[in-house]
Amino acid sequence: SAVISQKPSRDICQRGTSLTIQCQVDSQVTMMFWYRQQPGQSLTLIATANQGSEATYESGFVIDKFPISRPNLTFSTLTVSNMSPEDSSIYLCSVAGSGGYETQYFGPGTRLLVL
Amino acid sequence: GQNIDQPTEMTATEGAIVQINCTYQTSGFNGLFWYQQHAGEAPTFLSYNVLDGLEEKGRFSSFLSRSKGYSYLLLKELQMKDSASYLCAVRLPMTTDSWGKLQFGAGTQVVVTP
Repeated sequence: SAVISQKPSRDICQRGTSLTIQCQVDSQVTMMFWYRQQPGQSLTLIATANQGSEATYESGFVIDKFPISRPNLTFSTLTVSNMSPEDSSIYLCSVAGSGGYETQYFGPGTRLLVL
Repeated sequence: GQNIDQPTEMTATEGAIVQINCTYQTSGFNGLFWYQQHAGEAPTFLSYNVLDGLEEKGRFSSFLSRSKGYSYLLLKELQMKDSASYLCAVRLPMTTDSWGKLQFGAGTQVVVTP
């Protein structure tokens, strides 16, 4: 299985600021995803990070609020912009192979608290 | 819409067996995942079923019936460390603008008591 690391592991931020979360994988993967898990909730997909092109966002998530980069097959970043307390959540990077039948793994997550 | 239903909470005694059911109604199906998530941690992959039947991995087994839109995760010989949330997730089919994304259920909190 792929080994996924995320930085930072946790942060406390002030309202109105932005935070960039990094996701690094130890091997090349086809697909990288960003999920959010709000307190007491299940996981919600924010977007699919596409290598070399713009990310594909899910309904309710927009690029201006959650810009994503994916410069290569092992790295991606998610920025949470102009934060508000409602953005307090765990943000998880997830990776999968190709072909539609590969297992999908999650990184350790970034715990964000916005004051 | 996509519906994935699983019980909110289950309690069982150490050493016992617990079966967590998951029913789904989704616009297509490309496999079903089970994840374990301890409080404050990321989900850990447990199993992936794409064909009907039972798959066993040590103390954990997962079953799938595609015709019934049904899966279960069976936890045997429960240990205290098995207390966690168990997430059922359906992988949706690939489309031109979506690569088989996962749709998650709300999770089942399993409490193991001494």
